[in-house]
Amino acid sequence: GDSVTQMEGPVTLSEEAFLTINCTYTATGYPSLFWYVQYPGEGLQLLLKATKADDKGSNKGFEATYRKETTSFHLEKGSVQVSDSAVYFCALSPQASGSARQLTFGSGTQLTVLP
Amino acid sequence: DTAVSQTPKYLVTQMGNDKSIKCEQNLGHDTMYWYKQDSKKFLKIMFSYNNKELIINETVPNRFSPKSPDKAHLNLHINSLELGDSAVYFCASSLGQRGTGELFFGEGSRLTVL
Repeated sequence: GDSVTQMEGPVTLSEEAFLTINCTYTATGYPSLFWYVQYPGEGLQLLLKATKADDKGSNKGFEATYRKETTSFHLEKGSVQVSDSAVYFCALSPQASGSARQLTFGSGTQLTVLP
Repeated sequence: DTAVSQTPKYLVTQMGNDKSIKCEQNLGHDTMYWYKQDSKKFLKIMFSYNNKELIINETVPNRFSPKSPDKAHLNLHINSLELGDSAVYFCASSLGQRGTGELFFGEGSRLTVL
């Protein structure tokens, strides 16, 4: 079945540091890929997405590129802020089929950014 | 306007009790979900409904019973609560087959079983 493997946390960085959170996936066909963010005490919000190979999703300074050859969708940000402290989830949705397109989530990576 | 709203936000109850969580979405989506998030933040799908029809039913104790009166509402009823049911329960919705698979989440309902 489909699966998502995400870099284990927690990750602690200083403000303005470079961030990478690794994510690799296993799926048949051409899934859609997502990064969700969960701020403390809140629900998950979509951060960015990519629906086909070589697409780059970007939002709020975060970027991730859909790499089919390496089955990866790593999240990057050039300069993190304290307000980026949250849990980040990589997820995939299978290629459209006759069944429901449920999201499969990675285990989440806790990011703490120190001033 | 809250897109996906859940009530209540917090529930504290004793073992053996029965409780319900309600969810409503105003996005015009046709598919709704319940996810369970444990203390380590791991998210696991429990149920999914498409146009009021149950389409995903993962391995969940039958003490958990979802109900969808219409495609904008999905409720979760839990009987005979156990300590292990303590978690945050998230409702979500999507466009189903017509969308890219993106989910929109509610803020969660934190259930504590004592």
